[in-house]
Amino acid sequence: GDSVTQMEGPVTLSEEAFLTINCTYTATGYPSLFWYVQYPGEGLQLLLKATKADDKGSNKGFEATYRKETTSFHLEKGSVQVSDSAVYFCALSGRYSSASKIIFGSGTRLSIRP
Amino acid sequence: DTAVSQTPKYLVTQMGNDKSIKCEQNLGHDTMYWYKQDSKKFLKIMFSYNNKELIINETVPNRFSPKSPDKAHLNLHINSLELGDSAVYFCASSREPGGAGTEAFFGQGTRLTVV
Repeated sequence: GDSVTQMEGPVTLSEEAFLTINCTYTATGYPSLFWYVQYPGEGLQLLLKATKADDKGSNKGFEATYRKETTSFHLEKGSVQVSDSAVYFCALSGRYSSASKIIFGSGTRLSIRP
Repeated sequence: DTAVSQTPKYLVTQMGNDKSIKCEQNLGHDTMYWYKQDSKKFLKIMFSYNNKELIINETVPNRFSPKSPDKAHLNLHINSLELGDSAVYFCASSREPGGAGTEAFFGQGTRLTVV
């Protein structure tokens, strides 16, 4: 079945460091891809998305490009801040018969040191 | 004016009890979901409803029974609670069942602790 694999955490970086969180997927058809962020004690919020190959999603300095040839959707940010500390989830959604579901990766905990 | 709201936020109960979690969305979405997040933060879908009809039921024990009185509400009732049911339960909604780019909006979660 469809699945999402993302790099294991935790990831600890210093403020202003460059961030990459790897994400690859397995899917039939053409899923949409997402990054969600979960701040401590809160629900998930959509960070960015891409709906077709070569699309780049971006928000709050984060970017990810939908790469069909490598089935990847890696999350990047040029200069992280302490406020970026959270758990990040890569996800895909698609149609399964008449149903739909969003499938999440296992999450990557990011901690940023001042 | 919270988009997806679920109650209660915290629930501590004894094994064997029956409990319910309520969820409401004011986004006008047709599809609602329940997800379970375990202690390692892994998120697994439990149920998906579209216009009050169950469309996904992911190998969840039949002690868990979702109910959707209308498309803005999706409640989760759990019978005979077990220790392994302890987790954070998230309700979510989306505009339609799986159209391109359909994103889900999540509630704040209900932390269930079974003792």
